[in-house]
Amino acid sequence: DAKTTQPPSMDCAEGRAANLPCNHSTISGNEYVYWYRQIHSQGPQYIIHGLKNNETNEMASLIITEDRKSSTLILPHATLRDTAVYYCIVRVVGLEYGNKLVFGAGTILRVKS
Amino acid sequence: GAGVSQSPRYKVAKRGQDVALRCDPISGHVSLFWYQQALGQGPEFLTYFQNEAQLDKSGLPSDRFFAERPEGSVSTLKIQRTQQEDSAVYLCASSLVGYRTEAFFGQGTRLTVV
Repeated sequence: DAKTTQPPSMDCAEGRAANLPCNHSTISGNEYVYWYRQIHSQGPQYIIHGLKNNETNEMASLIITEDRKSSTLILPHATLRDTAVYYCIVRVVGLEYGNKLVFGAGTILRVKS
Repeated sequence: GAGVSQSPRYKVAKRGQDVALRCDPISGHVSLFWYQQALGQGPEFLTYFQNEAQLDKSGLPSDRFFAERPEGSVSTLKIQRTQQEDSAVYLCASSLVGYRTEAFFGQGTRLTVV
């Protein structure tokens, strides 16, 4: 799986959009971009994933650049409960790969009131 | 149950003691994973099951670590002769098999070896 680069930490004001960047310059054509987050003392939680098109769900939006070398996770209206470590992961998806996740250090997002 | 359940939530073991950590995956989930998370770091893959078959155990750090899933549902991670460096949170995750599937994680078991 390709490696990702994320800033170690970010701050965001409550109610504002949180934009979390991720670089994955060596991503392959068959690798998806996944985002998970981990709130203190809990297991990681799936947020969103995409291949090349922008994606949106009830939690967040994922913007992937046209060359797919980077992406941004957007939490449109951050709340204090969004304070967590956010992991950007790229991985091949398929029956034969076992779908394991390779976590990096992630970005600590602190939402402040 | 509604999610992945792990027990116990906390375990304190004396060095040299054997421990067994249990994972109850989401019903119907074919894939089951174990991860180890040291303090301040991201989770690291240990092993993967598809039904009862252990297809990948490349992440197990030593032969003291053993995992099983005999009936393709509940899984147990066993650590023999625990050492202080085994202290970590052990996370279990389950998922369906196929493209574009997401993994659901349990809350983990925090193991402290003293």
